[in-house]
Amino acid sequence: AQSVAQPEDQVNVAEGNPLTVKCTYSVSGNPYLFWYVQYPNRGLQFLLKYITGDNLVKGSYGFEAEFNKSQTSFHLKKPSALVSDSALYFCAVNHDGGSQGNLIFGKGTKLSVKP
Amino acid sequence: DAGVIQSPRHEVTEMGQEVTLRCKPISGHNSLFWYRQTMMRGLELLIYFNNNVPIDDSGMPEDRFSAKMPNASFSTLKIQPSEPRDSAVYFCASSKVTGVISYEQYFGPGTRLTVT
Repeated sequence: AQSVAQPEDQVNVAEGNPLTVKCTYSVSGNPYLFWYVQYPNRGLQFLLKYITGDNLVKGSYGFEAEFNKSQTSFHLKKPSALVSDSALYFCAVNHDGGSQGNLIFGKGTKLSVKP
Repeated sequence: DAGVIQSPRHEVTEMGQEVTLRCKPISGHNSLFWYRQTMMRGLELLIYFNNNVPIDDSGMPEDRFSAKMPNASFSTLKIQPSEPRDSAVYFCASSKVTGVISYEQYFGPGTRLTVT
């Protein structure tokens, strides 16, 4: 069965420091991996995705994620955090045999960036 | 594009009343998803449609919940009768699926439901 794990409920970072939000997955077949961000009282917004190709994927707002097949991970990173990056981040997975685009979401990681 | 449109944005109702939530997906998208989000349970998939056909409704909590998609541009989620434990934010999302390739889902702003 497919699954996604976000091992940290919360990540605290100082503004200007690099940030990492962790995600590991389990699928049969090749994974399609996604990151979403949710600001307070808003819907989820798509950040970036890995389907195939280069393992380093760049997305919106300066975020990037690295696909690591051997470690089954897809960690979200940003070189220099902003206070405005504070939000809830979700990792999601589907696989190339997945039916009709259904995504499995992780439980979410709350990112808090302090000035 | 206007994005996924949901209405109403807020709904307050009394226990026992019928509630209908509405969603208009992005034009050209052929998959539609209904989610529920609460602090306790996080984000839960309730049901999803592909080409207007319900594919998996295993996430629908009870028979009180029902969803329809009469055409490619409109879907409803109905709760009848509503209960206080149904209070949550309900999201609709849509995506384009071609063959085995799944594209990202785009979420609406959500409907915040409060049942008193």
